Amino acid sequence: AQSVTQPDIHITVSEGASLELRCNYSYGATPYLFWYVQSPGQGLQLLLKYFSGDTLVQGIKGFEAEFKRSQSSFNLRKPSVHWSDAAEYFCAVGFTGGGNKLTFGTGTQLKVEL
Amino acid sequence: DADVTQTPRNRITKTGKRIMLECSQTKGHDRMYWYRQDPGLGLRLIYYSFDVKDINKGEISDGYSVSRQAQAKFSLSLESAIPNQTALYFCATSDPGQGLSNEKLFFGSGTQLSVL
Repeated sequence: AQSVTQPDIHITVSEGASLELRCNYSYGATPYLFWYVQSPGQGLQLLLKYFSGDTLVQGIKGFEAEFKRSQSSFNLRKPSVHWSDAAEYFCAVGFTGGGNKLTFGTGTQLKVEL
Repeated sequence: DADVTQTPRNRITKTGKRIMLECSQTKGHDRMYWYRQDPGLGLRLIYYSFDVKDINKGEISDGYSVSRQAQAKFSLSLESAIPNQTALYFCATSDPGQGLSNEKLFFGSGTQLSVL
């Protein structure tokens, strides 16, 4: 069965600083990888996804993520964080025919200091 | 109006009570899901339905049941609630019709359930 690890439970960055959130997955075949963001009191919103092709994917709100097969990683990055990026971020893995039966990581809570 | 609506937003109940959480969607999606979110555990899939006649168990279905009343409605029931079912519950939908690469989950705002 697939699994997802987000090693950082909480991360604090200053506004304007760069951000990298880590995600490692375990899956026997080529995974489909996702990053979702959850703002307080809201449901999850898709930031970006990787299915195939270019391993660097661009998402909404200025986020990007890079799929590294050799490291089984799909880290989320943003060059300059805004205070409105404070939220919880979830990495997830899916598979062909899974129909979005995703396996989610435990989440990383991002705090942005002004 | 929200595309995926969950009711109620909050619910407090007692151990042993029967509870139903409702989800309705206006997106016209065939696929619907119920997830549970616990602090430190992320989201875990309870049940999913790929169309009105298709219901499947997820990884943590024990103690739960579902009903897909129509394409737009997918209800989650706790027949006899227990305290460890206290959690934030999310309904989600997706549409495979646009191809796998375009399929994504659309989430409701969640139902916070507390079982005392």
